[in-house]
Amino acid sequence: EPEVTQTPSHQVTQMGQEVILRCVPISNHLYFYWYRQILGQKVEFLVSFYNNEISEKSEIFDDQFSVERPDGSNFTLKIRSTKLEDSAMYFCASSDYGVNSPLHFGNGTRLTVT
Amino acid sequence: GDSVTQMEGPVTLSEEAFLTINCTYTATGYPSLFWYVQYPGEGLQLLLKATKADDKGSNKGFEATYRKETTSFHLEKGSVQVSDSAVYFCALSLRAGTALIFGKGTTLSVSS
Repeated sequence: EPEVTQTPSHQVTQMGQEVILRCVPISNHLYFYWYRQILGQKVEFLVSFYNNEISEKSEIFDDQFSVERPDGSNFTLKIRSTKLEDSAMYFCASSDYGVNSPLHFGNGTRLTVT
Repeated sequence: GDSVTQMEGPVTLSEEAFLTINCTYTATGYPSLFWYVQYPGEGLQLLLKATKADDKGSNKGFEATYRKETTSFHLEKGSVQVSDSAVYFCALSLRAGTALIFGKGTTLSVSS
């Protein structure tokens, strides 16, 4: 069964540094998402992406965040200047068209900002 | 705004016990409803879904029925196993490409 893959599985960075989290969504999916989960807390929506542009974003997704689909397969999340509170598990997801199409999640990247 | 409320965990059960995890929602439209499961160290996996009122989603012995009158989507399993130990998330979606709104998650721990 096709999978969403994320790299790296764990990233450690210093406060103020830029990080790029990478995702390869399922190939025929049209919608792409980033979510995050701070340890022990709920899963929070960051951004959705469709047709090469952001379709929706949350208030968490401020100017420090950006997303890109640089080629036909990758979907990236960039954090320009990381803060301690950015430490979380970041999940990429993709879905086909239609409200009933479930999201398929990757295994996540654990970001630790020191 | 739209939201999902799940029962607080953790839920601790013995093997073969009956499981119920309550989930209620608030939504302005007619959402699709989902249960996702997160096993330790893994991402979220779709467990089951229901797309309209009175639909029943089922998978791996788990069931949930979309109840519009009570705005609920409770997860049930007749006989849990140790391997069911995980975090369970109830979620709703209002339209394609929009945020999937999650509940806070309920941790289930099953002992033998």
